[in-house]
Amino acid sequence: SQTIHQWPATLVQPVGSPLSLECTVEGTSNPNLYWYRQAAGRGLQLLFYSVGIGQISSEVPQNLSASRPQDRQFILSSKKLLLSDSGFYLCAWSVSGSNNYGYTFGSGTRLTVV
Amino acid sequence: AQSVTQPDIHITVSEGASLELRCNYSYGATPYLFWYVQSPGQGLQLLLKYFSGDTLVQGIKGFEAEFKRSQSSFNLRKPSVHWSDAAEYFCAVRSNYQLIWGAGTKLIIKP
Repeated sequence: SQTIHQWPATLVQPVGSPLSLECTVEGTSNPNLYWYRQAAGRGLQLLFYSVGIGQISSEVPQNLSASRPQDRQFILSSKKLLLSDSGFYLCAWSVSGSNNYGYTFGSGTRLTVV
Repeated sequence: AQSVTQPDIHITVSEGASLELRCNYSYGATPYLFWYVQSPGQGLQLLLKYFSGDTLVQGIKGFEAEFKRSQSSFNLRKPSVHWSDAAEYFCAVRSNYQLIWGAGTKLIIKP
């Protein structure tokens, strides 16, 4: 069966420090991968999605970047964190090439920038 | 443009009472619709989905939703809520590679 792993679960980082959040999927190949952010009291904001290795689409101009170095690995990064980067980050995957599936989410990373 | 509206930011119901969470969508073609639930500090879990066929779909945890094309709605219902249903609920419509999300409805359960 397919599983998605996301880590770390919580992270406290100072302003100006770098960031790397990792997400991996098991049990499927060529998934669509997504990074979302939830700010406190707000809905889901799509940050990046990827339909294949090295293919990244950015939805919102920001201080963050994403990479997909392997088929089932999706990394969210920043060179210098801002206070506004605080939030709950969610990775998700879906079956490629079909609308008949929803997303499966990881358990999320709570990032606090101090 | 595609959009999803969840008009209620918060809903409070008593334990054991019935529940209906509203969702309206704007989408040009046949919609693929989803309801997700998020417990505090957790990821999102799929409750149910609609693609075609029977407009009343059953999901996990005793939830169901009814697709009404004439009203562009996909409301989520449960006949009797339990305290463990307290969470945030998101409605979404699939558009190409992406899900278009509603803003969510927070469900509060009164004892």
